[in-house]
This record gives sequence, structure tokens and C-alpha cells, in this order.
Amino acid sequence: NAGVTQTPKFQVLKTGQSMTLQCAQDMNHNSMYWYRQDPGMGLRLIYYSASEGTTDKGEVPNGYNVSRLNKREFSLRLESAAPSQTSVYFCASSIQSLNQPQHFGDGTRLSIL
Amino acid sequence: AQSVTQLGSHVSVSEGALVLLRCNYSSSVPPYLFWYVQYPNQGLQLLLKYTSAATLVKGINGFEAEFKKSETSFHLTKPSAHMSDAAEYFCAVSGSGGSNYKLTFGKGTLLTVNP
Repeated sequence: NAGVTQTPKFQVLKTGQSMTLQCAQDMNHNSMYWYRQDPGMGLRLIYYSASEGTTDKGEVPNGYNVSRLNKREFSLRLESAAPSQTSVYFCASSIQSLNQPQHFGDGTRLSIL
Repeated sequence: AQSVTQLGSHVSVSEGALVLLRCNYSSSVPPYLFWYVQYPNQGLQLLLKYTSAATLVKGINGFEAEFKKSETSFHLTKPSAHMSDAAEYFCAVSGSGGSNYKLTFGKGTLLTVNP
């Protein structure tokens, strides 16, 4: 059972480079999310997609863009990477309901030099 | 707006001792509450969830949590800690109304279990 799959698992970038983090889920969930995790900060929501065809900003959207490619896939793009974007990035998905949990991928560890 | 406060960024217990991880929430509507666990270099896994069916919720790995509306708390407990419980634990709340299905997470509590 794959669940939520994130690629790549690790990446090192130079300041100013761009890259796209990929996320795919096979649970037929409507909603998908991107978070970043930094020490002592918990998880902070970057962007989310409540359903296919919609995306909305979360708590920390600056410097990021997203694309909900189809129901399964939700990508996160860094157009011009900055050292402050060094973090662990998690993708999650859920049924579109308040009482349903989110299911997480294993994360992408991104370092920007 | 909803928020979550986890008291204690680091909790250390001996193997076999009681585990108590504290979570207080703020929500303008009846909340849905979740506890997640994160093992090193992994994503978050659901431990348990409160959805108003019962105030005492049992989860995986022997953990349970009690919803106390009067105290706006949802503390996580386990009677006897095991070495394998060492991980980071996150409390989260949803339910701010409308079409907002977002979770708000606490900053996490790192649990250390000493032999």
C-alpha cells in the first residue's frame, strides 16, 4: 500500500536554483496539503488543495507555488531557492471532511546552500 | 481562529513509567482533535482522533487521550512506557468552520524513554 509518495527524498540546491517537489496519493482523497517542518516550529501549512482544481495559501506561502495536476498529484515549486527554505517538506492527503485525519508522506529533506 | 499548545517541548520518562503529554486547544467551534507520532526520519502517523463520539479515545500502541471540554484539553497518556515509544508527538485541531479542512498543529513534544 503506497499511500502518499513524495519524491525526491533528499535534495541539495544552491541559492537561486529552482526545483519541484512531487507528491502523489493513491487513496482517492479529495484534499492535499504541503507542510514544512522546522525544529521547534511544528508543522506549518504552505499551501493546500481542498479539491481538484482549487488551491489556497496556508500560513507560509511566500516563495512557493503549487499545482494540483489531477486528483492524485500535488506539486510544490520553489522558483528561486533561498537558505531560509532549508527544511523538511511533507505532503499529506485526506478525505474532504473535518473529522478525517490527514495521511502523510515520508518527507523531502531539502538543503539550500 | 484555532490554536494548539503543547506544554513541554521535551518529556523524559523511564521505561515502564506513565507517559503524559499535554495538549490544550483553542477553537471557536466544537473541535476535532488528533494526536500524531513521528519516528526519526519518517512522516507523521495517526495515533488517535476525537470526533465527539466518546470523550475517552483509545489509539494504537496502548495510547489513549481524554477530551475535557471544561479544560479545553486533550492530553495523551500511556500507562507504561516502552523504549519503542521514543518519538516526537504532535497534537492537532481542525474544525474552524466553513470549508476549512485544515489542521493546526502544536509545536510537538519529544518523548525520550530511558532504560
